[in-house]
Amino acid sequence: GAVVSQHPSWVICKSGTSVKIECRSLDFQATTMFWYRQFPKKSLMLMATSNEGSKATYEQGVEKDKFLINHASLTLSTLTVTSAHPEDSSFYICTPLEEQFFGPGTRLTVL
Amino acid sequence: GENVEQHPSTLSVQEGDSAVIKCTYSDSASNYFPWYKQELGKRPQLIIDIRSNVGEKKDQRIAVTLNKTAKHFSLHITETQPEDSAVYFCAASFFSGTYKYIFGTGTRLKVLA
Repeated sequence: GAVVSQHPSWVICKSGTSVKIECRSLDFQATTMFWYRQFPKKSLMLMATSNEGSKATYEQGVEKDKFLINHASLTLSTLTVTSAHPEDSSFYICTPLEEQFFGPGTRLTVL
Repeated sequence: GENVEQHPSTLSVQEGDSAVIKCTYSDSASNYFPWYKQELGKRPQLIIDIRSNVGEKKDQRIAVTLNKTAKHFSLHITETQPEDSAVYFCAASFFSGTYKYIFGTGTRLKVLA
């Protein structure tokens, strides 16, 4: 089946720093990648949809200047949390449109 | 708007009994409905899905039913086992300029041995 990897698996950073999360499709080409955020014991909330070669589409209430998404190639989409704050601590997961398969997720903790 | 409601939020059943989780969706144009199982600290895993052109789909102990008229779909797990204990999420596809999946709020299933 389709394999999606994420890097890093977990990250702890200080408030105010930026963190980049990579999502790679290892054995297929992903034209569209969904980025979700999941707080503890909560559901998955769609943050944005990234499309290869074009701007991402953000969901209502998600700050596009804070959560920068880049989908430069058919195998790589990145999410950068800029000026992270403790309330950004969450589990970030990507999944491609073509496959109903989630990446392993990145657990972000902002101190 | 785009909305998926899921009930119940928690469900406890005795081992061997059946479990049913129900979801409703808001957009009659939704045409794809996956179900995911998420164990603690892990990513959601697709367990079964159904498209709008069928009313029921079964895979061993798991089945999903879809009522397009009422805009609801359900997950049925028969002969439950302790390893079925997890959080289950339903999702529905929506299209509003872009194609996306919106998730229900989740159901924590506990199978008691």
